[in-house]
Amino acid sequence: DAMVIQNPRYQVTQFGKPVTLSCSQTLNHNVMYWYQQKSSQAPKLLFHYYDKDFNNEADTPDNFQSRRPNTSFCFLDIRSPGLGDAAMYLCATSRGQEETQYFGPGTRLLVL
Amino acid sequence: AQTVTQSQPEMSVQEAETVTLSCTYDTSESDYYLFWYKQPPSRQMILVIRQEAYKQQNATENRFSVNFQKAAKSFSLKISDSQLGDAAMYFCAYWYNFNKFYFGSGTKLNVKP
Repeated sequence: DAMVIQNPRYQVTQFGKPVTLSCSQTLNHNVMYWYQQKSSQAPKLLFHYYDKDFNNEADTPDNFQSRRPNTSFCFLDIRSPGLGDAAMYLCATSRGQEETQYFGPGTRLLVL
Repeated sequence: AQTVTQSQPEMSVQEAETVTLSCTYDTSESDYYLFWYKQPPSRQMILVIRQEAYKQQNATENRFSVNFQKAAKSFSLKISDSQLGDAAMYFCAYWYNFNKFYFGSGTKLNVKP
């Protein structure tokens, strides 16, 4: 009865090779978020969708893009990963603006 | 700018004892939400407790309770009867609206048997 699912759990990519991380949810929540979390640091919000409306954080690099083809799925695309992009990427969902966020298990990205 | 500060990078508590984790935040808003999230090692982040700023009553969830001091902009988490499973990274978080969601830097809690 997993609610927020992230695939894959571990991803290895090469420097500069595009990579896509996947998130799906069974909660039918309106909002989906992507966070980047580096070792021993707090999660940093990259962007979120409220339904189909995309909201990008001001300091999110252009290298990071996102797609939400339907309510259940959201993708994080890293166009040209650099070594500094190695991190845990967390997906979260919430029903509405002020609601509790439910997190997925994360995808750990390694860039070689 | 809104910020969330957790001044204790790491804390330890003996099993069955009580521990309090501190969190302060900075905001000019009057209506917002505060959260404590728990992230166990290699496991996903889960909500521990949530507080609406318009509510004066402190939130409680079983062994977890908060001390919310709105004027002082303080939001501490008290864990009673600590258990080994409470060992984790704890993040305090502030939400005002979509683009105003901030996590603190986290407090690593160790529980000693």
